[in-house]
Order: sequence, then structure tokens, then C-alpha cells
Amino acid sequence: DQQVKQNSPSLSVQEGRISILNCDYTNSMFDYFLWYKKYPAEGPTFLISISSIKDKNEDGRFTVFLNKSAKHLSLHIVPSQPGDSAVYFCAAPSEGWGKLQFGAGTQVVVTP
Amino acid sequence: DVKVTQSSRYLVKRTGEKVFLECVQDMDHENMFWYRQDPGLGLRLIYFSYDVKMKEKGDIPEGYSVSREKKERFSLILESASTNQTSMYLCASSGLAGVVETQYFGPGTRLLVL
Repeated sequence: DQQVKQNSPSLSVQEGRISILNCDYTNSMFDYFLWYKKYPAEGPTFLISISSIKDKNEDGRFTVFLNKSAKHLSLHIVPSQPGDSAVYFCAAPSEGWGKLQFGAGTQVVVTP
Repeated sequence: DVKVTQSSRYLVKRTGEKVFLECVQDMDHENMFWYRQDPGLGLRLIYFSYDVKMKEKGDIPEGYSVSREKKERFSLILESASTNQTSMYLCASSGLAGVVETQYFGPGTRLLVL
């Protein structure tokens, strides 16, 4: 049973516009969330994270928002660039031992 | 600089063959993980290890086994490969046992089982 869900498999956005990626979770015990970015033929790389004590975390063009009551988080990329075209995974730690639960991923395509 | 390497980028094997996937990390990390990535399913954890000779089942361990004889090396073994094990396999490592930290991933091995 997937506890981290990304319901949009793909997203197409024009260069310079905002990309908004959504992630929902079912386990109210989750208190930390991470976003990973993956290019084809490469492993995922860590992008940004947020603790449940915050509702926003910003790093350059990337901002993650957390709405605990709705069990929802989103990643905003502003402005989107062609190099942002990748698959983005939302993840949350579960059951100790450093394990992560990943969502299914959202493929972002940034068009010129 | 953090580095996780995987022994092969692409592998083609036949049904019933025994397959070994090797992963090496150079960061002295305690935790190591094996995932498979399939379209629409994201990354699913197969096995993980938090110490040498220690292993724990992940969400989809059936048909797989692992070995961790040295801290830096974590091997995934497909005892008898089947076509439904065709997938992208990703190895990852992270720092302290039992602590949530960023996981660092290798480049992946794309396995095709015919």
C-alpha cells in the first residue's frame, strides 16, 4: 500500500513559467519529506527537503510547501528551465533504519 | 565527493540464470539499499542493510537475496532470473544506521531478462 502518492505522472511546462508538482501522503506519522530528481540513465539526486515543523522551505528556484492538515506537499520550480526536464520523486522516511518511501514520480518536460 | 558505483549499466540475461548486481560506495556509509524502478510504480525497496552481514527485507524481496560481506559493498542476487525482473535496479547508501539522511544513488543497472 503506497503511503506516498504522486498522482500526476507527467507535466509539461513552458520555459520561464512555474512548475508545480504535487505529492500526497497517508501516514500522519511522517515528519520529514524529501524531493529527488532523476535524469534518464542516472540515479536520483537529492533536491530539497522539509521538516514537518515548517510549512515552507526554499532553495534558489525550488520551493517546497507542506500542508500537514491536508497531508499534502508541493514542489514549485520558478522559473522552469530546460535542464529541469527530469522525473521528480517525493519521498518520506518510514519505519526507521533510514528507509524511504517513494512516490511513483512525475515526469516534467520543459519546452522552449 | 560522494560516489556510489554499480558494476554494470546494462545487462541481458536469460530466464533461469543467476544474476549478480554489485554496488560499491566510498563514503563509509552504514546503510545501503537496493531498489527497482518501474514506470508508474516509482522506486520500490527490495532489501537494505544497516551493517556488515546484516540485511532486512524491503517491500518486494521475493526472488532476490543480498550479501554484505564488507561495509562498502552490497550485492543483489537474482537466484533464478525471470522476465518480470526486467527493470532498472538502483543502489543507494546513507550515513548513520537508524538515522534518516539523504540517500546517495548509483547510476543504475538496466536489466533485461529474456
